[in-house]
Amino acid sequence: GQQVMQIPQYQHVQEGEDFTTYCNSSTTLSNIQWYKQRPGGHPVFLIQLVKSGEVKKQKRLTFQFGEAKKNSSLHITATQTTDVGTYFCAGPGNYGQNFVFGPGTRLSVLP
Amino acid sequence: GAGVSQSPSNKVTEKGKDVELRCDPISGHTALYWYRQSLGQGLEFLIYFQGNSAPDKSGLPSDRFSAERTGGSVSTLTIQRTQQEDSAVYLCASSVQAPRTVNTEAFFGQGTRLTVV
Repeated sequence: GQQVMQIPQYQHVQEGEDFTTYCNSSTTLSNIQWYKQRPGGHPVFLIQLVKSGEVKKQKRLTFQFGEAKKNSSLHITATQTTDVGTYFCAGPGNYGQNFVFGPGTRLSVLP
Repeated sequence: GAGVSQSPSNKVTEKGKDVELRCDPISGHTALYWYRQSLGQGLEFLIYFQGNSAPDKSGLPSDRFSAERTGGSVSTLTIQRTQQEDSAVYLCASSVQAPRTVNTEAFFGQGTRLTVV
């Protein structure tokens, strides 16, 4: 079945350092989405990428969709304590049904 | 409503009892999803409803789990004869259309934290 993997599982950074999480799918995706879940909260949508090689930016966050549409990355420049949380990537499941989520990358930012 | 609403927010039940978890999706959203999240873990897909189509039940972990969606709106997830391993946060989400559609994002509720003692 379809699998979505993410690395690393955990990342601890000093405030001001950069952070990157990588997402890989076993199958080609029509689109990929990223979500952020703060501790104790629920996942919140960040962005959707659709086109091969697409790059989108949201302030200090840069999202990229691979050329083969099987991988994606999220890069945060100069992390802040407000960036703490778990970042999930998600893609449509088989036959476009449901969202298949990666296991997430948990980011800790030390002040 | 303004967002996806789940009730109860917390549920403590005794092992062997049945529980019902409720989800009110955003009005007009045709797709509804249930996920389970154990402490510090990822999102485990349970079931997906899309319009009037037959639900995708492929993620339900056992026949003790069932869900229905009445009138294309409210959904209830039922767990029969609860076990301790059922303890988790159960998250409901809804979206305007199916995930393969562009510009479709999932809106999550706050979740129901289920504790089986």
